[in-house]
Amino acid sequence: GAVVSQHPSWVICKSGTSVKIECRSLDFQATTMFWYRQFPKQSLMLMATSNEGSKATYEQGVEKDKFLINHASLTLSTLTVTSAHPEDSSFYICSAPPVDSGIYEQYFGPGTRLTVT
Amino acid sequence: DAKTTQPPSMDCAEGRAANLPCNHSTISGNEYVYWYRQIHSQGPQYIIHGLKNNETNEMASLIITEDRKSSTLILPHATLRDTAVYYCIVRVAAEYGNKLVFGAGTILRVKS
Repeated sequence: GAVVSQHPSWVICKSGTSVKIECRSLDFQATTMFWYRQFPKQSLMLMATSNEGSKATYEQGVEKDKFLINHASLTLSTLTVTSAHPEDSSFYICSAPPVDSGIYEQYFGPGTRLTVT
Repeated sequence: DAKTTQPPSMDCAEGRAANLPCNHSTISGNEYVYWYRQIHSQGPQYIIHGLKNNETNEMASLIITEDRKSSTLILPHATLRDTAVYYCIVRVAAEYGNKLVFGAGTILRVKS
């Protein structure tokens, strides 16, 4: 099956700094990618939809100036957490549906665990 | 997208079939039923999806009732590695890039 990677797999940063998380589709192209956040013992919460060549679409309540999304190519989307604070500590997961029509499942990355101290 | 209801947790003996129910009484005619699972600290994994006919693949079977208001995911011979959170999601499949909205899911514990 298709593979989605994320980098880094885990990161620890100090409060006030920015952290960039990469999401790559390794063997398929994706004009759309999705970013989720998951707190301990909770379900995945969709944060935003990343669109190649255009602005991301953010879900209600998600600060677009804090969570910067760039979909630079058909295989790469990045999420930058700016001025991170301890409450931003979470598990961040991306997903992508392949461009090919008729493929309805989405492929998820392994996630990135962010800890802000 | 229609809302789904799943039991919060279930136990299953290793080697036995695990039957995970999902209610989606407000499902509309063009909405599909999807199942994903998430093993601890990993990204979700696609399992199976269906519209109205029963479906089977190498991982599981999906049984959808005739009125489509509920469905059951069946893992025929559960192993310890099947311990995970299972999510039932209903959405329109035809549109590319359609987002997934996750509910609370069912925690399946497979025990030896």
